[in-house]
Amino acid sequence: DTAVSQTPKYLVTQMGNDKSIKCEQNLGHDTMYWYKQDSKKFLKIMFSYNNKELIINETVPNRFSPKSPDKAHLNLHINSLELGDSAVYFCASSQLAGVSYEQYFGPGTRLTVT
Amino acid sequence: KQEVTQIPAALSVPEGENLVLNCSFTDSAIYNLQWFRQDPGKGLTSLLLIQSSQREQTSGRLNASLDKSSGRSTLYIAASQPGDSATYLCAPFPNQGGKLIFGQGTELSVKP
Repeated sequence: DTAVSQTPKYLVTQMGNDKSIKCEQNLGHDTMYWYKQDSKKFLKIMFSYNNKELIINETVPNRFSPKSPDKAHLNLHINSLELGDSAVYFCASSQLAGVSYEQYFGPGTRLTVT
Repeated sequence: KQEVTQIPAALSVPEGENLVLNCSFTDSAIYNLQWFRQDPGKGLTSLLLIQSSQREQTSGRLNASLDKSSGRSTLYIAASQPGDSATYLCAPFPNQGGKLIFGQGTELSVKP
């Protein structure tokens, strides 16, 4: 009964490859997010979708493309991977139509680009 | 632009001590503030959420306070245990919606 799940947990790939990370939430939330945590453990938002529509798009290279097939899923596709993309990527969800907007996080995907 | 600072960056205490983690933020126009815990190699676990209209929120041995006007929140941990060892992050959520802004975290180590 995992609330926010991500696959894969670990991803090791070479520079120049294209990879995807998948996220699913079973909380019935209407908003999902992607965060990046760098090597210094600093956590920063990348994207947010509300009911499959993009509502936040931070200054992220256009090699990163989020896709939300439905409000329970938000996938992250990365083209032409670079060394600097190595990080832990977290998916999160919340209910924007509610009162608290409390965010729930997935376990993270550790991406290593060699 | 919201900036969040957490002090101290790291803290090591013996088991049983009461401790306070500090979080300050520059923009007081927040809707709520969340405290999270992150264990090494794991995701974030939400500990407490304080609405902007609240002064404090309690869960077990944890108590979080919020002084929105001064841009400060504290997380009080009573009778600390080794299992409390983790990084603690605070993140205010703005009035206009959108994104959580995270501090750098306080890395807590509780020694048996």
